[in-house]
Amino acid sequence: QLVLTQSPSASASLGASVKLTCTLSSGHSTYAIAWHQQQPEKGPRYLMNLNSDGSQNKGDGIPDRFSGSSSGAERYLTISSLQSEDEADYYCQTWGTGIRVFGGGTKLTVL
Amino acid sequence: EVQLVESGGGLIQPGGSLRLSCAASGFTVSSNYMSWVRQAPGKGLEWVSFIYSGGSTYYADSVKGRFTISRDSSKNTLYLQMNSLRAEDTAVYYCARDSTTVGAIGYWGQGTLVTVSS
Repeated sequence: QLVLTQSPSASASLGASVKLTCTLSSGHSTYAIAWHQQQPEKGPRYLMNLNSDGSQNKGDGIPDRFSGSSSGAERYLTISSLQSEDEADYYCQTWGTGIRVFGGGTKLTVL
Repeated sequence: EVQLVESGGGLIQPGGSLRLSCAASGFTVSSNYMSWVRQAPGKGLEWVSFIYSGGSTYYADSVKGRFTISRDSSKNTLYLQMNSLRAEDTAVYYCARDSTTVGAIGYWGQGTLVTVSS
């Protein structure tokens, strides 16, 4: 079964960096994912899609502070030079034949 | 510019029906993979349904047999017909379009709230 696992919460200081993790279920380690950001009281926003080899395509207007990387079944989203507006929920999303799957989301707090 | 504008949400009694619409601009709905995703109050994102450009449709188990996704090429609009609604269907419903990478959602609408309550 295709499942994405994310830590429920993360925190980091203003101006620092943070690395969020999304883990693919067993047998699905080669799957690509997408990262989405949802700021408080707003709809989701596409950040990037990320392949198993670490190659990525960002959405329009996404700052260079957002980057992705991969290792095995783990997919990462790194946000550098944290700003207050980065405080949001971050969701990973993947897909298979006839299915789309979301992770449970990580709530990022900027201290 | 890609734009997705949902409408049709509201308050509906359990067992009732509702049809959501998603008016698209800046691209052709029938040439793209389109999805509906929902978010219950205080919860995460849940995929509901999608339609391939070729017309094949797929549904989450939680809505299979009750919801129907469709599109109207002449209106460039995506729809979600929701029947036999339950309290647990209460959520903000988002229309979405895949990015150039098929499978990765690349564009989102602003959402429409559906509340199922007596």
